Amino acid sequence: DAGVIQSPRHEVTEMGQEVTLRCKPISGHNSLFWYRQTMMRGLELLIYFNNNVPIDDSGMPEDRFSAKMPNASFSTLKIQPSEPRDSAVYFCASSFWGGGQGRSPLHFGNGTRLTVT
Amino acid sequence: AQRVTQPEKLLSVFKGAPVELKCNYSYSGSPELFWYVQYSRQRLQLLLRHISRESIKGFTADLNKGETSFHLKKPFAQEEDSAMYYCALSGTYKYIFGTGTRLKVLA
Repeated sequence: DAGVIQSPRHEVTEMGQEVTLRCKPISGHNSLFWYRQTMMRGLELLIYFNNNVPIDDSGMPEDRFSAKMPNASFSTLKIQPSEPRDSAVYFCASSFWGGGQGRSPLHFGNGTRLTVT
Repeated sequence: AQRVTQPEKLLSVFKGAPVELKCNYSYSGSPELFWYVQYSRQRLQLLLRHISRESIKGFTADLNKGETSFHLKKPFAQEEDSAMYYCALSGTYKYIFGTGTRLKVLA
């Protein structure tokens, strides 16, 4: 099992550019989460999907952020246009939610370190 | 309201001293509690979950439903334990994380 795979590991871009972060969850997991981590705000949940459907996107900071999950093995987080304050580490995580049977632990990817200049 | 509280942002202890990282939660139901560890510039890794009652790297945590706590303990801290520790609660669909406690183990 390769775990949750994120790409790229590092992204440096200029303000105003579009940024796309990618995530491949663990095979068999049906829940996917995007988190943002900064020194000032800690770990923030941006959005989560269950069975490819966005369940709660209340953590998405503003309309410049969007996330998709076109199938069970792929998700993207897009920022357009990017701003310096978006600089952070973005983590993707996945788990299995079995309804009344509970949930497997959350598994995190290695993160994408985004720097917007 | 569903909430996880880690009251200490930073905890410094000397090598060989006992460690206790505090975690309190608020949840209307039967939660599942976890501890995650993040070493410098790495991903968050699962350290413990309360239902497994395991001891990982010498750490243990007991769920106290009366006090709604899930404190993380280790009898003798090691320098390699220096990291960020997050307590998390699994509710319906999603996880709720605390703000984390940075543990520094001094030589």
